[in-house]
Amino acid sequence: DSGVTQTPKHLITATGQRVTLRCSPRSGDLSVYWYQQSLDQGLQFLIQYYNGEERAKGNILERFSAQQFPDLHSELNLSSLELGDSALYFCASSVEGVETQYFGPGTRLLVL
Amino acid sequence: GESVGLHLPTLSVQEGDNSIINCAYSNSASDYFIWYKQESGKGPQFIIDIRSNMDKRQGQRVTVLLNKTVKHLSLQIAATQPGDSAVYFCAERGAGSYQLTFGKGTKLSVIP
Repeated sequence: DSGVTQTPKHLITATGQRVTLRCSPRSGDLSVYWYQQSLDQGLQFLIQYYNGEERAKGNILERFSAQQFPDLHSELNLSSLELGDSALYFCASSVEGVETQYFGPGTRLLVL
Repeated sequence: GESVGLHLPTLSVQEGDNSIINCAYSNSASDYFIWYKQESGKGPQFIIDIRSNMDKRQGQRVTVLLNKTVKHLSLQIAATQPGDSAVYFCAERGAGSYQLTFGKGTKLSVIP
């Protein structure tokens, strides 16, 4: 158990819908990262937050957004969902952002 | 952008043998490397990391070797056990970057 929690574990929704994925980092970690893992793309970095502020952005679609709250939990919002958004979404956390990242168990999203 | 890749997509080893998983990276400015293990249905689990000022680092039954001359990283697992069966990812981080770039993964299967 890495100490990073993610909810929900599974999510099934329809195209065009919007969903919110939630992540709680390890106690004491200030940085949160979001990754997408699909069969053909591997693990792709989406975005990083540090202490409530966006710090780095990867290949995140404009339909996707994230935020980190004062209690340091983070949410990833996915809107106007498409079939191709079906994937595993992982959250990771680290103390400040240049150390080892510890991953949560992931949310499996299926868009029908 | 520059990327990290793996030489072998699958590796089968006999229980008790040593395993070697290889990874090539192309970003000569990378200063931090990390190996993760991902079991089916779970998030990536940290195994071992190494900074670019080192060429070898050992953990419990695992050793990471870094050859900066040829931009090659390897993970050695001693006395491989059935519980080692998983997909292994290498990842690298460029100097001054917060973002990890992952390779596509190698599936390790341990034959009892």
